[in-house]
Amino acid sequence: EVQVVESGGGLVQPGGSLRVSCEVSGLTFTRDVYIDWLRQAPGKGLEWVGNIMLDGTEKNYVDSVRGRFTFSRDNAKNSLYLQMNDVRAEDTAVYYCARGFGSAWNFVWGQGTTVTVSS
Amino acid sequence: IVMTQTPLSSPVTPGQTVSISCRSSESLVHSDGNTYLSWLHQRPGQPPRLLIYKTSNRFSGVPDRFSGGGAGTDFTLEIIRVEADDVGVYYCVQVTQRPHTFGQGTKLEIK
Repeated sequence: EVQVVESGGGLVQPGGSLRVSCEVSGLTFTRDVYIDWLRQAPGKGLEWVGNIMLDGTEKNYVDSVRGRFTFSRDNAKNSLYLQMNDVRAEDTAVYYCARGFGSAWNFVWGQGTTVTVSS
Repeated sequence: IVMTQTPLSSPVTPGQTVSISCRSSESLVHSDGNTYLSWLHQRPGQPPRLLIYKTSNRFSGVPDRFSGGGAGTDFTLEIIRVEADDVGVYYCVQVTQRPHTFGQGTKLEIK
């Protein structure tokens, strides 16, 4: 069974940086397997932030975060990371990692971690 | 691709049938022949759960009261014999193209 657990959320000032983690179990870090990052602002709908192929060779970002957010992975720790730089108030959201919501293959969706951008 | 859901809110009586529409601004037929349109259900304070994938396939454990249909740019989620536990927000999402995009969500409320 595939499981993901997010951590690392918190309060960050506008223009600051924060790194959120996603620990993955039950899934091999190989090619052609993606983990998606999504977010949900308070009281709002779901937004896809981007995804990373688990071998690290492909990363995709939504336009609103490209150049500010970076995905990375650490195979030894079975973990993925979302590095958030130059954050803005509109980045305030619950951040989720997930996969398989398109094909149902190894579907999983984490509980999320909350990031608040405020001075 | 812009995803448009209607209605945005739907008050229903237990036992009734509800239908949610999702329209995409472009065809969701992938080059591999599949149509990657999914439906998710999110209860308050919970992460979303997968209901339907590839337009009409029910995910494991989802009751057969839930069904998905459609093609091209027009899709529907139907829930028959609505139960109190069905409350929450329903989202359609397209995974055919990046960026993956969601509908605004339809809030299902029990009268």
